Amino acid sequence: GAGVSQSPSNKVTEKGKDVELRCDPISGHTALYWYRQSLGQGLEFLIYFQGNSAPDKSGLPSDRFSAERTGGSVSTLTIQRTQQEDSAVYLCASSRGTSGYEQYFGPGTRLTVT
Amino acid sequence: GENVEQHPSTLSVQEGDSAVIKCTYSDSASNYFPWYKQELGKGPQLIIDIRSNVGEKKDQRIAVTLNKTAKHFSLHITETQPEDSAVYFCAASKYNFNKFYFGSGTKLNVKP
Repeated sequence: GAGVSQSPSNKVTEKGKDVELRCDPISGHTALYWYRQSLGQGLEFLIYFQGNSAPDKSGLPSDRFSAERTGGSVSTLTIQRTQQEDSAVYLCASSRGTSGYEQYFGPGTRLTVT
Repeated sequence: GENVEQHPSTLSVQEGDSAVIKCTYSDSASNYFPWYKQELGKGPQLIIDIRSNVGEKKDQRIAVTLNKTAKHFSLHITETQPEDSAVYFCAASKYNFNKFYFGSGTKLNVKP
C-alpha cells in the first residue's frame, strides 16, 4: 500500500517568507509526528498528533512554527518569517498509535532558506 | 527529559566484517529502543527494535542487545554487505508516550 508522502520534496524560499509543508500519513494511522533533521544531525522532535487529542507541541522551536492536522489525516507544518537556521530536512512519520508502534517515515521535505 | 548518545559517528568496515554501533540513554523509564536505517534521500526505516523485557533480539544478520542496568543498547550487523552502507539511528521512548529521542546517527561505510 501507499506509504507516507510529503510535499514538496524540495523548497527554496527567501528569508522572511512563510512556507507550508504537507504530510499525507498512511491511511488509518492515528499518530503523526513531525521531525527536523539538520545536516549531519539526528532527528529533532517537533510536534505529535494522536487521534483527536490535543497535539504535543513541546518540540516546536519558536512561535513561528505551527502545525495542523485536519480530519485526523493530512497535516501541514507552517513556518512563518523563515530564517536561515530553519534550513533542514523536515520529516513526517505516522504510526498506528502509541505504545511503541513502528513509525513509518516519509521521504522528507528539504527546506533551504536563502 | 531523555538524552541519547550514539557512537561512533562514522564507521568504515570491510565487506564481510561485523559492525557495532552503541547508544546510551539517560532516562531509566525508557523501555522501547528502535533502530533505523536511512539511505541517501530517503526517510529513516525501522530495521529492528527491542523492548525492555528482553536483553537481545536477532533478525538474520542484525541483532540488538540491551543492558538496562548500564542504560546502553547496541546494534550488531554481521557479514556486512555494501548495501548496508547508510546512516543508522538509535532511539529511545517510553510506552504510551509520544516522543522518540534519537541519537545523532552513525554513517556506516562497507567497503567491497
